Amino acid sequence: ILNVEQSPQSLHVQEGDSTNFTCSFPSSNFYALHWYRWETAKSPEALFVMTLNGDEKKKGRISATLNTKEGYSYLYIKGSQPEDSATYLCAFGAAGNKLTFGGGTRVLVKP
Amino acid sequence: NAGVTQTPKFQVLKTGQSMTLQCAQDMNHNSMYWYRQDPGMGLRLIYYSASEGTTDKGEVPNGYNVSRLNKREFSLRLESAAPSQTSVYFCASGVSSGSGTDTQYFGPGTRLTVL
Repeated sequence: ILNVEQSPQSLHVQEGDSTNFTCSFPSSNFYALHWYRWETAKSPEALFVMTLNGDEKKKGRISATLNTKEGYSYLYIKGSQPEDSATYLCAFGAAGNKLTFGGGTRVLVKP
Repeated sequence: NAGVTQTPKFQVLKTGQSMTLQCAQDMNHNSMYWYRQDPGMGLRLIYYSASEGTTDKGEVPNGYNVSRLNKREFSLRLESAAPSQTSVYFCASGVSSGSGTDTQYFGPGTRLTVL
């Protein structure tokens, strides 16, 4: 069983503040690192797929970086807004086209 | 375009009862997946199907069976439900992201309670 860890499990952010959180994963047999956004009462939705060491992806105020050599990815939210409140999942992709999901970081943005 | 649909949305079973969770996708995706999501834990893969006619076990397959009926449909069966199978079940379909892994699209989930 692959170990994919996300920290912190939850965080509260004041509206307008920036924040970031971590996903750590095995540094061997790496194919891709996926990030998903999961709003309450909805289904997870894909944010990014990252494959190369040093990759950076950006979507609006959300961005992510990837370090495959040390096995971690950061997701950043700049100038958090209440609509950014969600659980953010990372998923490690290895051979066999299966994803192993982390436990998620639950973000609550307070107005 | 409905995406990924799941039925039922909610279900309560008694221990020992059987049931089938249905999943269908209209995006012409080859791969489909079944996950369970429990409090404090991430999504755990039960079974997946890389293409029509193939299925394979995931991380937590015990107590479940699957059928890839055709390209659109992938069902999950509980033959003899146990309280430990109380969970929220998500179906997903996948399309290549060019990375050797698929970007997955999730259904709305089925909340199952086994008494």
